[in-house]
Amino acid sequence: DVKVTQSSRYLVKRTGEKVFLECVQDMDHENMFWYRQDPGLGLRLIYFSYDVKMKEKGDIPEGYSVSREKKERFSLILESASTNQTSMYLCASIAGGNEQFFGPGTRLTVL
Amino acid sequence: GENVEQHPSTLSVQEGDSAVIKCTYSDSASNYFPWYKQELGKRPQLIIDIRSNVGEKKDQRIAVTLNKTAKHFSLHITETQPEDSAVYFCAARKAAGNKLTFGGGTRVLVKP
Repeated sequence: DVKVTQSSRYLVKRTGEKVFLECVQDMDHENMFWYRQDPGLGLRLIYFSYDVKMKEKGDIPEGYSVSREKKERFSLILESASTNQTSMYLCASIAGGNEQFFGPGTRLTVL
Repeated sequence: GENVEQHPSTLSVQEGDSAVIKCTYSDSASNYFPWYKQELGKRPQLIIDIRSNVGEKKDQRIAVTLNKTAKHFSLHITETQPEDSAVYFCAARKAAGNKLTFGGGTRVLVKP
């Protein structure tokens, strides 16, 4: 049973803080993704990684960075959080097949 | 890049009726079209998918149709039940890579 976990379900931060969102998968998947989910906008891809230390920008990378030092872990970093980054953040992984397995999500509020 | 549009944004149906959600995509190179269901407070999960070499696929009460020429695909849910209430997302993917582009989502409410 594939398991994708995220470090926090809920997070409240202040404007200007550095924020780390962690994602871990236990199925040795090569590809990992970070999305943000906003009502009416669906899931928008922020960054993805197809291997350790490899990363590619998604559709909305501005204001974010990522880190993948180990295969099982993919971190999303908000260097200086802003209120417009208040959102639900979803991590996903895939082995090379079709189905993306999602984590439970982190609801981030930036005050 | 790819652009996926999904309609309607909300859909209310009576239990037992059918529900149809439609998506259009822009990139003719896309060849894989999954549908994800997200129940309230839960993560999205794949419910059905279709490849571009197939026009229709069915799995019990859900079916997906694809029109490559018109670049649109649809999700059909028959005999809807209260547990079908959720947000549904369509997506499209090109041949290369595993990057999905999602539609904006449809909130389906099945009224008992």
